[in-house]
Amino acid sequence: EIVLTQSPGTLSLSPGERATLSCRASQSVSSSYLAWYQQKPGQAPRLLIYGASSRATGIPDRFSGSGSGTDFTLTISRLEPEDFAVYYCQQYGSSPWTFGQGTKVGNQT
Amino acid sequence: EVQLVESGGGLVQPGGSLRLSCAASGFTFSSYSMNWVRQAPGKGLEWVSYISSSSSTIYYADSVKGRFTISRDNAKNSLYLQMNSLRAEDTAVYYCARVLPPQDAFDIWGQGTMVTVSS
Repeated sequence: EIVLTQSPGTLSLSPGERATLSCRASQSVSSSYLAWYQQKPGQAPRLLIYGASSRATGIPDRFSGSGSGTDFTLTISRLEPEDFAVYYCQQYGSSPWTFGQGTKVGNQT
Repeated sequence: EVQLVESGGGLVQPGGSLRLSCAASGFTFSSYSMNWVRQAPGKGLEWVSYISSSSSTIYYADSVKGRFTISRDNAKNSLYLQMNSLRAEDTAVYYCARVLPPQDAFDIWGQGTMVTVSS
């Protein structure tokens, strides 16, 4: 089983700032089958990034993904008020599909 | 509108059974693989089970193997999760999620249905 470790656990930032979230895998993720999801309280997760760097339909270009192998990054270039949420990475290259434990992006203001 | 709507959750005693349903609309259900994902209260996401579009391939997480059964009825545009021998640790919101071909990420999620296992 591939274990995904996300860091930091919590990120306290202000609107307009840049957010950098990390996801490290215990072994190489095949074919960059790595996704990022956003989840707000009381809502289902929303797909942001798939294939490590491809934005899902309707996702603003302030969201970008990068990385390969075991190290992946989600970057939010300028935080908007609606971006404060919990973010999960997921690998779907090999069963069992696994998720990271999540990074909470909190509003510092 | 592409939509997934779960139902069937509720309160059940340890050792009991429950059957979850997921109704799909707005897309050709029979062309897509599907998953169940759960989230315990205040916790992260846990993948539960996968079924291919034709039901020919099925996977389970070790935590539910032998107790849960995933199935689908393409004629009814519906996905199911039969849950037997339920434990307190199965308490969670259960989501169904569509697979985005060919990449296989989960692109459409339902709103979830809550399952509580307690005496």
